[in-house]
Amino acid sequence: QIQLQQSGPGLVKPSQTLSVTCAISGDSVFSNSAAWTWIRQSPSRGLEWLGRTYYRSKWYNDYAVSVKSRITINPDTSENQFSLHLNSVTPEDTAVYYCAREFVSVYGFWGQGTLVTVSS
Amino acid sequence: DIQMTQSPSSLSASVGDRVTITCRASQSINSYLSWYQQKPGQAPKLLIYTASTLQSGVPSRFSGSGSGTDFTLTISSLQPEDFATYFCQQSYSLPRTFGQGTKVEIK
Repeated sequence: QIQLQQSGPGLVKPSQTLSVTCAISGDSVFSNSAAWTWIRQSPSRGLEWLGRTYYRSKWYNDYAVSVKSRITINPDTSENQFSLHLNSVTPEDTAVYYCAREFVSVYGFWGQGTLVTVSS
Repeated sequence: DIQMTQSPSSLSASVGDRVTITCRASQSINSYLSWYQQKPGQAPKLLIYTASTLQSGVPSRFSGSGSGTDFTLTISSLQPEDFATYFCQQSYSLPRTFGQGTKVEIK
């Protein structure tokens, strides 16, 4: 059974970098049919797709335009996990962050969610 | 970006009721439409994909239909465990986008 386990701090100061990690079990970050995705949810923005990383003989990334200048999604091949880094955060980045596995264009497996609050 | 608009935003229904939720895309997305159920404090759960294919393990009282721009999620006989928020999501193009959600509450 595929499971995604998230970890990361729940509080980040404005202007700093938000980092959340998603550990994969039951699948490989090298999967040639899955894409490893970050989605966030807030009352003001709803569910917002942030970006993904995937391996198809080499690594690819896609990012949402709204965060493209601030986001990095990295695979960690030694630990079979992937991570989200969002820099220069503001209170508008306060949200529950989810990792998810995209397979045949749907999200069948999600992490448990990480509430990240941006506050001084 | 493709905008996904759900209606209604919320509804009140009783156990046993037939419930219908609609989702409209701002442009044609063929059948690249999924439905998710979310309960408080939980991640969304996939119910239906490619507009009408039931995810394994999802009760048959859930069904989906539509193609192009207009889609429907139907719960044929609402059960107590179905009170939740439902989201549609398009996977026709990037960025993936979601509807704003429909909250199904107990009447």
